[in-house]
Amino acid sequence: DTAVSQTPKYLVTQMGNDKSIKCEQNLGHDTMYWYKQDSKKFLKIMFSYNNKELIINETVPNRFSPKSPDKAHLNLHINSLELGDSAVYFCASSSNRGIYNEQFFGPGTRLTVL
Amino acid sequence: DAKTTQPPSMDCAEGRAANLPCNHSTISGNEYVYWYRQIHSQGPQYIIHGLKNNETNEMASLIITEDRKSSTLILPHATLRDTAVYYCIVRVGSGGYQKVTFGTGTKLQVIP
Repeated sequence: DTAVSQTPKYLVTQMGNDKSIKCEQNLGHDTMYWYKQDSKKFLKIMFSYNNKELIINETVPNRFSPKSPDKAHLNLHINSLELGDSAVYFCASSSNRGIYNEQFFGPGTRLTVL
Repeated sequence: DAKTTQPPSMDCAEGRAANLPCNHSTISGNEYVYWYRQIHSQGPQYIIHGLKNNETNEMASLIITEDRKSSTLILPHATLRDTAVYYCIVRVGSGGYQKVTFGTGTKLQVIP
Protein backbone atom coordinates (compact mmCIF):
# COMPACT_ATOMS: atom_id res chain seq x y z
CA ASP A 1 0.00 0.00 0.00
CA THR A 2 3.00 2.28 -0.58
CA ALA A 3 1.84 5.76 -1.62
CA VAL A 4 4.85 6.83 -3.71
CA SER A 5 7.28 4.15 -4.81
CA GLN A 6 10.56 4.35 -6.68
CA THR A 7 12.73 1.75 -8.35
CA PRO A 8 15.50 0.99 -8.00
CA LYS A 9 16.45 2.00 -4.48
CA TYR A 10 20.16 1.88 -5.31
CA LEU A 11 21.81 2.36 -8.68
CA VAL A 12 25.55 2.08 -9.27
CA THR A 13 26.81 2.68 -12.78
CA GLN A 14 29.73 3.87 -14.85
CA MET A 15 30.22 7.31 -16.34
CA GLY A 16 28.74 7.64 -19.80
CA ASN A 17 25.98 5.09 -19.26
CA ASP A 18 22.27 5.76 -19.67
CA LYS A 19 19.93 4.84 -16.81
CA SER A 20 16.30 5.24 -15.78
CA ILE A 21 14.56 5.64 -12.45
CA LYS A 22 10.87 4.83 -12.18
CA CYS A 23 8.27 6.43 -9.95
CA GLU A 24 4.68 5.44 -9.31
CA GLN A 25 2.03 6.92 -7.03
CA ASN A 26 -1.27 5.32 -6.06
CA LEU A 27 -2.76 8.41 -4.42
CA GLY A 28 -4.70 9.59 -7.45
CA HIS A 29 -2.65 12.80 -7.54
CA ASP A 30 -2.41 14.98 -10.62
CA THR A 31 1.06 16.40 -10.08
CA MET A 32 4.38 14.63 -9.78
CA TYR A 33 7.89 15.93 -9.13
CA TRP A 34 11.53 14.95 -9.25
CA TYR A 35 13.99 16.33 -6.69
CA LYS A 36 17.74 15.90 -6.40
CA GLN A 37 19.52 15.81 -3.05
CA ASP A 38 23.27 16.11 -3.37
CA SER A 39 26.03 15.22 -0.92
CA LYS A 40 25.48 18.48 0.96
CA LYS A 41 21.88 17.38 1.58
CA PHE A 42 20.41 20.34 -0.29
CA LEU A 43 17.08 19.29 -1.81
CA LYS A 44 16.40 20.90 -5.20
CA ILE A 45 13.41 20.53 -7.46
CA MET A 46 14.21 19.37 -10.98
CA PHE A 47 10.91 18.81 -12.76
CA SER A 48 7.19 18.88 -12.18
CA TYR A 49 4.47 17.30 -14.30
CA ASN A 50 0.78 18.11 -14.02
CA ASN A 51 -1.60 15.72 -15.76
CA LYS A 52 1.30 14.37 -17.85
CA GLU A 53 2.36 17.86 -18.92
CA LEU A 54 5.74 19.35 -18.00
CA ILE A 55 5.23 22.53 -16.00
CA ILE A 56 8.46 23.06 -14.08
CA ASN A 57 11.94 22.54 -15.49
CA GLU A 58 14.58 23.99 -13.21
CA THR A 59 17.44 24.47 -15.70
CA VAL A 60 18.34 20.83 -15.53
CA PRO A 61 20.78 19.60 -18.24
CA ASN A 62 18.98 18.10 -21.19
CA ARG A 63 20.70 14.80 -20.43
CA PHE A 64 17.82 14.43 -17.95
CA SER A 65 14.53 13.61 -19.61
CA PRO A 66 11.40 12.97 -17.58
CA LYS A 67 8.63 10.90 -19.08
CA SER A 68 5.09 10.66 -17.80
CA PRO A 69 3.18 7.84 -19.54
CA ASP A 70 0.15 8.48 -17.34
CA LYS A 71 -0.79 10.51 -14.27
CA ALA A 72 0.40 7.80 -11.89
CA HIS A 73 3.91 7.49 -13.30
CA LEU A 74 6.84 9.83 -13.76
CA ASN A 75 10.09 8.26 -14.87
CA LEU A 76 13.47 9.93 -15.07
CA HIS A 77 15.90 8.96 -17.81
CA ILE A 78 19.48 10.16 -17.62
CA ASN A 79 21.83 10.00 -20.60
CA SER A 80 25.61 10.07 -20.54
CA LEU A 81 25.88 9.94 -16.78
CA GLU A 82 28.51 12.13 -15.12
CA LEU A 83 30.19 11.96 -11.73
CA GLY A 84 28.23 15.02 -10.62
CA ASP A 85 24.98 13.19 -11.14
CA SER A 86 25.69 11.11 -8.05
CA ALA A 87 22.95 12.00 -5.59
CA VAL A 88 19.71 10.79 -4.08
CA TYR A 89 16.74 11.38 -6.36
CA PHE A 90 13.30 11.74 -4.81
CA CYS A 91 9.99 11.51 -6.56
CA ALA A 92 6.95 13.25 -5.05
CA SER A 93 3.30 13.83 -5.84
CA SER A 94 0.55 16.20 -4.79
CA SER A 95 -3.09 16.82 -5.48
CA ASN A 96 -4.48 19.73 -7.49
CA ARG A 97 -7.60 19.92 -5.39
CA GLY A 98 -7.87 22.65 -2.79
CA ILE A 99 -5.00 24.82 -1.67
CA TYR A 100 -3.45 22.67 1.03
CA ASN A 101 -1.32 20.63 -1.31
CA GLU A 102 1.20 18.74 0.74
CA GLN A 103 3.68 16.75 -1.23
CA PHE A 104 4.16 13.05 -0.63
CA PHE A 105 7.68 11.83 -1.23
CA GLY A 106 9.01 8.46 -2.29
CA PRO A 107 11.83 6.66 -0.47
CA GLY A 108 14.50 7.92 -2.85
CA THR A 109 16.94 6.36 -5.32
CA ARG A 110 20.62 6.61 -4.46
CA LEU A 111 22.55 6.97 -7.70
CA THR A 112 26.31 6.47 -7.66
CA VAL A 113 28.28 7.19 -10.81
CA LEU A 114 31.79 5.72 -10.86
CA ASP B 1 8.42 32.36 -2.37
CA ALA B 2 9.79 34.06 0.71
CA LYS B 3 13.06 32.83 2.17
CA THR B 4 13.34 31.22 5.56
CA THR B 5 16.10 31.14 8.16
CA GLN B 6 16.52 28.26 10.60
CA PRO B 7 19.25 27.34 13.09
CA PRO B 8 21.43 24.61 11.61
CA SER B 9 21.11 22.26 14.57
CA MET B 10 19.40 21.73 17.91
CA ASP B 11 19.40 19.14 20.67
CA CYS B 12 16.41 18.08 22.72
CA ALA B 13 16.11 15.64 25.61
CA GLU B 14 13.82 12.68 25.01
CA GLY B 15 10.36 13.31 26.43
CA ARG B 16 10.76 17.07 26.46
CA ALA B 17 9.20 19.52 24.04
CA ALA B 18 11.26 20.41 20.99
CA ASN B 19 10.75 23.99 19.83
CA LEU B 20 12.11 24.65 16.35
CA PRO B 21 12.16 28.31 15.27
CA CYS B 22 11.91 29.72 11.77
CA ASN B 23 12.25 33.29 10.56
CA HIS B 24 10.38 34.38 7.45
CA SER B 25 10.44 38.15 7.69
CA THR B 26 9.63 38.69 3.99
CA ILE B 27 6.53 36.51 4.00
CA SER B 28 3.64 37.97 2.06
CA GLY B 29 -0.02 37.92 2.96
CA ASN B 30 -0.96 34.94 0.82
CA GLU B 31 1.97 32.72 1.73
CA TYR B 32 1.54 29.73 4.00
CA VAL B 33 4.12 28.30 6.39
CA TYR B 34 4.78 24.58 5.85
CA TRP B 35 6.95 22.23 7.84
CA TYR B 36 8.46 19.00 6.54
CA ARG B 37 11.00 16.70 8.08
CA GLN B 38 13.49 14.23 6.65
CA ILE B 39 14.52 11.30 8.74
CA HIS B 40 17.90 9.94 7.75
CA SER B 41 17.93 8.58 4.17
CA GLN B 42 14.15 8.77 3.81
CA GLY B 43 11.98 11.05 1.71
CA PRO B 44 10.73 14.28 3.30
CA GLN B 45 7.51 13.96 5.26
CA TYR B 46 4.86 16.63 5.63
CA ILE B 47 4.20 17.70 9.22
CA ILE B 48 1.91 20.71 9.38
CA HIS B 49 1.08 24.03 7.75
CA GLY B 50 -0.63 27.30 8.68
CA LEU B 51 -1.45 30.77 7.42
CA LYS B 52 -1.87 32.98 10.47
CA ASN B 53 -3.61 30.97 13.16
CA ASN B 54 -1.87 28.47 15.38
CA GLU B 55 -2.38 24.92 14.22
CA THR B 56 -2.17 21.52 15.89
CA ASN B 57 -2.34 18.01 14.55
CA GLU B 58 -1.34 14.58 15.77
CA MET B 59 2.31 15.21 15.00
CA ALA B 60 3.01 18.76 16.12
CA SER B 61 1.84 22.29 16.84
CA LEU B 62 2.64 25.36 14.79
CA ILE B 63 2.78 28.75 16.42
CA ILE B 64 2.87 31.73 14.04
CA THR B 65 3.58 35.19 15.43
CA GLU B 66 0.99 37.89 14.95
CA ASP B 67 3.13 39.74 12.39
CA ARG B 68 3.75 36.37 10.67
CA LYS B 69 7.47 37.05 10.43
CA SER B 70 8.41 33.98 12.39
CA SER B 71 7.00 30.68 13.54
CA THR B 72 7.82 27.80 15.86
CA LEU B 73 7.22 24.12 15.32
CA ILE B 74 6.59 22.31 18.59
CA LEU B 75 7.00 18.58 19.06
CA PRO B 76 5.36 18.21 22.50
CA HIS B 77 7.13 15.06 23.66
CA ALA B 78 10.15 14.37 21.52
CA THR B 79 11.17 10.75 20.97
CA LEU B 80 14.33 9.31 19.48
CA ARG B 81 12.39 8.72 16.25
CA ASP B 82 11.93 12.49 15.90
CA THR B 83 15.65 12.88 15.19
CA ALA B 84 15.61 14.37 11.69
CA VAL B 85 16.21 17.49 9.62
CA TYR B 86 13.24 19.84 9.86
CA TYR B 87 12.47 22.20 6.98
CA CYS B 88 10.43 25.36 7.25
CA ILE B 89 9.02 26.50 3.90
CA VAL B 90 6.81 29.38 2.90
CA ARG B 91 4.87 29.38 -0.33
CA VAL B 92 1.72 30.63 -1.90
CA GLY B 93 -1.14 28.32 -1.05
CA SER B 94 -2.42 27.79 -4.55
CA GLY B 95 -3.84 24.62 -5.89
CA GLY B 96 -2.09 22.48 -8.41
CA TYR B 97 1.60 22.38 -8.96
CA GLN B 98 3.87 24.16 -6.54
CA LYS B 99 7.55 24.84 -6.71
CA VAL B 100 8.65 24.08 -3.17
CA THR B 101 12.10 25.32 -2.26
CA PHE B 102 13.77 23.52 0.61
CA GLY B 103 16.42 25.38 2.59
CA THR B 104 19.10 23.80 4.73
CA GLY B 105 16.74 23.07 7.63
CA THR B 106 17.43 22.37 11.30
CA LYS B 107 19.00 19.09 12.28
CA LEU B 108 17.22 18.03 15.48
CA GLN B 109 19.01 15.49 17.63
CA VAL B 110 16.86 13.91 20.33
CA ILE B 111 19.06 12.73 23.16
CA PRO B 112 18.16 9.78 25.42
